[in-house]
Amino acid sequence: GNSVTQMEGPVTLSEEAFLTINCTYTATGYPSLFWYVQYPGEGLQLLLKATKADDKGSNKGFEATYRKETTSFHLEKGSVQVSDSAVYFCALSPNRDDKIIFGKGTRLHILP
Amino acid sequence: GAVVSQHPSWVICKSGTSVKIECRSLDFQATTMFWYRQFPKQSLMLMATSNEGSKATYEQGVEKDKFLINHASLTLSTLTVTSAHPEDSSFYICSAKRGLDYEQYFGPGTRLTVT
Repeated sequence: GNSVTQMEGPVTLSEEAFLTINCTYTATGYPSLFWYVQYPGEGLQLLLKATKADDKGSNKGFEATYRKETTSFHLEKGSVQVSDSAVYFCALSPNRDDKIIFGKGTRLHILP
Repeated sequence: GAVVSQHPSWVICKSGTSVKIECRSLDFQATTMFWYRQFPKQSLMLMATSNEGSKATYEQGVEKDKFLINHASLTLSTLTVTSAHPEDSSFYICSAKRGLDYEQYFGPGTRLTVT
């Protein structure tokens, strides 16, 4: 079946630190991969996506590369800010028009 | 653009009563809406998919007679939890797709507590 596994949180970092949130997936075929972010009191927002192997999604300084050989889609940012504090969800869609399957989410705290 | 709202943001109800949650796409027409449930420290679990004017498609294990979904217009879907029990307490989140756009736009969620 299809599933997403991401690192447990919470993750606490100091401002300007390097961030990595690991995500691996299990899927048949060639899914699309996503990172969603949920800021306090708000709905989930699409942060970035990649639709095929070796694609790199990027947005707001965050990056993730679709690695088919390791079935991974790790989220990285070179220098985090306090405003990046949120919950981050890794997700996949088996087909473009299909439902989205989410990981459990990773809460990120950035200290000033 | 692409804003989705939910009402109420939180609700407390007594066991045995029914509660309705609304999901609205504020600035676009939503051809498809989704309802998710999220338990603490768990991922979002898809409950059902609804298309305007047709019956919702429920995921395996979701009781369709308990969780009634109505997608009456292109901007409104409702989830009614009937005869609620404490185990139905959860965070319910809706999302909407706009036309052929595959991206889903999420509402802020509704916290349901059944006492």
